[in-house]
Amino acid sequence: GQSLEQPSEVTAVEGAIVQINCTYQTSGFYGLSWYQQHDGGAPTFLSYNALDGLEETGRFSSFLSRSDSYGYLLLQELQMKDSASYFCAVIDDKIIFGKGTRLHILP
Amino acid sequence: EAGVTQFPSHSVIEKGQTVTLRCDPISGHDNLYWYRRVMGKEIKFLLHFVKESKQDESGMPNNRFLAERTGGTYSTLKVQPAELEDSGVYFCASSRGLYGTEAFFGQGTRLTVV
Repeated sequence: GQSLEQPSEVTAVEGAIVQINCTYQTSGFYGLSWYQQHDGGAPTFLSYNALDGLEETGRFSSFLSRSDSYGYLLLQELQMKDSASYFCAVIDDKIIFGKGTRLHILP
Repeated sequence: EAGVTQFPSHSVIEKGQTVTLRCDPISGHDNLYWYRRVMGKEIKFLLHFVKESKQDESGMPNNRFLAERTGGTYSTLKVQPAELEDSGVYFCASSRGLYGTEAFFGQGTRLTVV
């Protein structure tokens, strides 16, 4: 079977740094993506990792370790607008999403 | 360029009725996906088209769901007859390529079966 595991909820303080982990077990693997979804909105693409290592895009970074079937999304200098659900997604021959992590940000 | 558009944005139907959801992908995107999110849970894969062909429909819950993609352009997802458990938000996404190319999502159709 195929499964992606990520925490259901994470709480952090405005201005701080938070890391959302994702472990996966899938029959195939080409890469790991991260999506953000605000309440009532559509998922929007944040990042993609095909190779091991860290990819940085502004305040957001994403990491992948293929040997460990593990990745994370790192959000720095948290802002209230970052409150949303974050989904990791494995790119196989289709896109398979995890169950999402609800990020709560405290002022 | 226009994004992925879905119609309708909301639909409330009675159990046993039929509903057809439509998705217009971004022009030139061969890959089209349907997903469903129920009650804030996971974004569950339903099926994947490459052009007009069904690449993978392993996520379709049962034969009450029928998806088509006419001429490799827009797609429809029909639920017939609808059941209460079909309620949720149905998202469509499209991408130009698959490996590493980001998927663009529509705003979703919120389906409520009463």
